Amino acid sequence: AQTVTQSQPEMSVQEAETVTLSCTYDTSESDYYLFWYKQPPSRQMILVIRQEAYKQQNATENRFSVNFQKAAKSFSLKISDSQLGDAAMYFCAYRSFSGTYKYIFGTGTRLKVLA
Amino acid sequence: GAVVSQHPSWVICKSGTSVKIECRSLDFQATTMFWYRQFPKQSLMLMATSNEGSKATYEQGVEKDKFLINHASLTLSTLTVTSAHPEDSSFYICSASTGQGGEQYFGPGTRLTVT
Repeated sequence: AQTVTQSQPEMSVQEAETVTLSCTYDTSESDYYLFWYKQPPSRQMILVIRQEAYKQQNATENRFSVNFQKAAKSFSLKISDSQLGDAAMYFCAYRSFSGTYKYIFGTGTRLKVLA
Repeated sequence: GAVVSQHPSWVICKSGTSVKIECRSLDFQATTMFWYRQFPKQSLMLMATSNEGSKATYEQGVEKDKFLINHASLTLSTLTVTSAHPEDSSFYICSASTGQGGEQYFGPGTRLTVT
């Protein structure tokens, strides 16, 4: 069975600085999707970025980028120029390429942004 | 696009009564919908997966007779908590997927308080 591990329960970053959140996973599959979701205090889950495992190029979305290391089964999220609005819980999620489409979530990392 | 709504956003009910939570995909047809439960400061726990017109598939440890899921159409799924007890108090989140592209779209969640 697949597992997702987020080893940092909490992280802090100064406004305008860069922070990296880590995520590792375990799977025997070769094709899959990986996601980072943000959950602000409103508790609405917001997709930050997604990565298809078959793509070697790391995904980027404005200030957010990932470092996808397939062999190491690592999927870290880098937030550049951190803003106060980035403060939230961040969840890493894994989804098989086929099958039931269900996600396997990590335990989350709480990001605090310091003014 | 890809908006998912939940109703109600907050419900208080008395112990022993039943409560129904609706999840709707507003601008797309969802072949698969998911129901999650989230305790404070914890990750999302998948309760069940439902496909339109089929019986839901429940995760291990989830009481199917207590948490009734109906997915009657491609835009509507309902979760009914039967004979609710205070320990059922939680935040319930639904999500929907078209099956393509891997992504789930999340509703804003429903806070259930059982007194």
